[in-house]
Amino acid sequence: GQNIDQPTEMTATEGAIVQINCTYQTSGFNGLFWYQQHAGEAPTFLSYNVLDGLEEKGRFSSFLSRSKGYSYLLLKELQMKDSASYLCAVTDSNYQLIWGAGTKLIIKP
Amino acid sequence: DGGITQSPKYLFRKEGQNVTLSCEQNLNHDAMYWYRQDPGQGLRLIYYSQIVNDFQKGDIAEGYSVSREKKESFPLTVTSAQKNPTAFYLCASSIGEGDVYEQYFGPGTRLTVT
Repeated sequence: GQNIDQPTEMTATEGAIVQINCTYQTSGFNGLFWYQQHAGEAPTFLSYNVLDGLEEKGRFSSFLSRSKGYSYLLLKELQMKDSASYLCAVTDSNYQLIWGAGTKLIIKP
Repeated sequence: DGGITQSPKYLFRKEGQNVTLSCEQNLNHDAMYWYRQDPGQGLRLIYYSQIVNDFQKGDIAEGYSVSREKKESFPLTVTSAQKNPTAFYLCASSIGEGDVYEQYFGPGTRLTVT
């Protein structure tokens, strides 16, 4: 079956760095997305990786290793507004998005 | 401003009643999707449509129905056959299928059935 694993919840301190991991087992791979979702709101797009390596976008970076079925989202200089759930999603061989359950990130002052 | 609208934001219904959730987009996207989100679970695909007058079942289509009569609109009906309808429903759209595009989401409708 298809499976995406993320930690359920993480806690970090304002100003610090946090890494949210995502491992996947899917039938084929056509790219991996990270979305941010504040409580009760819609997910919003953060990043997309299809090749191995690190993609940097301001305070957020996303890394992919296709051979290991692994990705992480790195958030630097954490701000209180970064408190949200972070969703990992993989596009399989049929171009269908498979979603992880999300990681709830709690930022403490 | 281009985007996706869903209405209403909160919806309450009695068990046994059908209810239709609205989803409209003005992004000129071909593909549209309906997801259900429950606490502690990932988004689960209910139905998707790649083009007007065509749609396919997702992973959890039982108890739901959709239509795609216009490119801009993709309403979802939650029927009385859906055993656990209380959930957060998200509509999304993307440029198209057959390639990888980000999905844009509406604000969601929280449906409570009692």
